[in-house]
Amino acid sequence: EDQVTQSPEALRLQEGESSSLNCSYTVSGLRGLFWYRQDPGKGPEFLFTLYSAGEEKEKERLKATLTKKESFLHITAPKPEDSATYLCAVQAWEGGSEKLVFGKGTKLTVNP
Amino acid sequence: ETGVTQSPTHLIKTRGQQVTLRCSSQSGHNTVSWYQQALGQGPQFIFQYYREEENGRGNFPPRFSGLQFPNYSSELNVNALELDDSALYLCASTVPGGTEAFFGQGTRLTVV
Repeated sequence: EDQVTQSPEALRLQEGESSSLNCSYTVSGLRGLFWYRQDPGKGPEFLFTLYSAGEEKEKERLKATLTKKESFLHITAPKPEDSATYLCAVQAWEGGSEKLVFGKGTKLTVNP
Repeated sequence: ETGVTQSPTHLIKTRGQQVTLRCSSQSGHNTVSWYQQALGQGPQFIFQYYREEENGRGNFPPRFSGLQFPNYSSELNVNALELDDSALYLCASTVPGGTEAFFGQGTRLTVV
């Protein structure tokens, strides 16, 4: 069964304190791994897609990396506005269509 | 701005009632998916529509049904509402040949 596990569930950082979020996955044939940012009561906002082990993508203070079993979202010198829940998802094939299988997310709080 | 718009934003219904949620996606986005997100959980795949036909379904009962229209709008219908149906319902659209899913802001459904 396709599964995504994110850790930690919650993370508190001081402004400027760099850290990493983890996403481990099991999927039969990875077609894509996605990172989203979600603010309270809002829909997920697309950040990155990674397709193969060794791939890296960056956007401002965020950098996503991918291995065969897990992905990391590195946050460098975070600011309070980076506070949000970060969701990881894998693209899986089921019942004739592609779907996203999400983890529960990591709630990040960045204190000023 | 993803170009995916959902209505209404919030909704309160009584157990046993029926509800229709609406989604409007960008022109040309011929694949739309619906997800249910309970509090503190990641989104769960309900079903997907492609060119006005359902082409994939998650582990949800038949009282969850949908429609997709030629103008790229979509509906999610839920009959015989239960208290556990209270959640954020998300609509996501995908460009033809693309892999990234772009989400709307969601509809918060509360069943009392």
